[in-house]
Amino acid sequence: QQQVKQSPQSLIVQKGGISIINCAYENTAFDYFPWYQQFPGKGPALLIAIRPDVSEKKEGRFTISFNKSAKQFSLHIMDSQPGDSATYFCAAISSRLTFGEGTQLTVNP
Amino acid sequence: NAGVMQNPRHLVRRRGQEARLRCSPMKGHSHVYWYRQLPEEGLKFMVYLQKENIIDESGMPKERFSAEFPKEGPSILRIQQVVRGDSAAYFCASSSFTEGEKLFFGSGTQLSVL
Repeated sequence: QQQVKQSPQSLIVQKGGISIINCAYENTAFDYFPWYQQFPGKGPALLIAIRPDVSEKKEGRFTISFNKSAKQFSLHIMDSQPGDSATYFCAAISSRLTFGEGTQLTVNP
Repeated sequence: NAGVMQNPRHLVRRRGQEARLRCSPMKGHSHVYWYRQLPEEGLKFMVYLQKENIIDESGMPKERFSAEFPKEGPSILRIQQVVRGDSAAYFCASSSFTEGEKLFFGSGTQLSVL
C-alpha cells in the first residue's frame, strides 16, 4: 500500500525558475515530514523537514508548505539552479520512514 | 566525522550465491535501517535494527533475507541464494536515539546478480 504519493514523476525547469513538487499522505499517524535529495550514485541526503503543527518552513531557497487538513505537503525550490538537478523524495514518519516514489528534477541552464 | 559507511560499493554475484552487505552507522548512532531501491523507483523499507535487536522487519522478504546488528561491528544484510530479481541498490541509514526521525544514509551497495 502506497502511503505517500508524490508528483510529478519528472520536472524540467529553467534556471532561475521555481520548482514545485507535491506529496499527499494517508496515514494520520505520520508526525514528521522530511524531504531528501539524491544525486546519481549517492544515497539520499536530508534536505529539509517539517512537523504537522507548522504550515511552512523555509531554509534558504527551499520551502516546505504543509496542509494538515488536506494531508498534503509540497517542496518549493526558488531560483532553481542546474546544481539542483537531482531526484527528490518526500517522506513521512510514524514508526518508520516511508518514501514517495521520487521526482526527477532537471534544471536547464 | 565519518558518515554512514557501506561496503562494498559494488557487488557482483552469480545466481545461487550469497551476498553480504555491510553498514557501519555514524558515530553515536544506535539505530540502523536498510532500504532497497530498484532502478527508477523509490526506496522501500526492509528492516530496522538496534544493537542486537530486530525492531521491525516487516519489509523484508520472509525467505533468503536476514539482517543483524551485533553488539560489536557493522550491521550485516545477508541475502542467500541470490536471484536476478535481487539486483538493486541497497541503502543503509542510521539515526541517534535522541533524534530518531533524522536518518542519514550511506552511499549504498549496488548488487548485480548475473
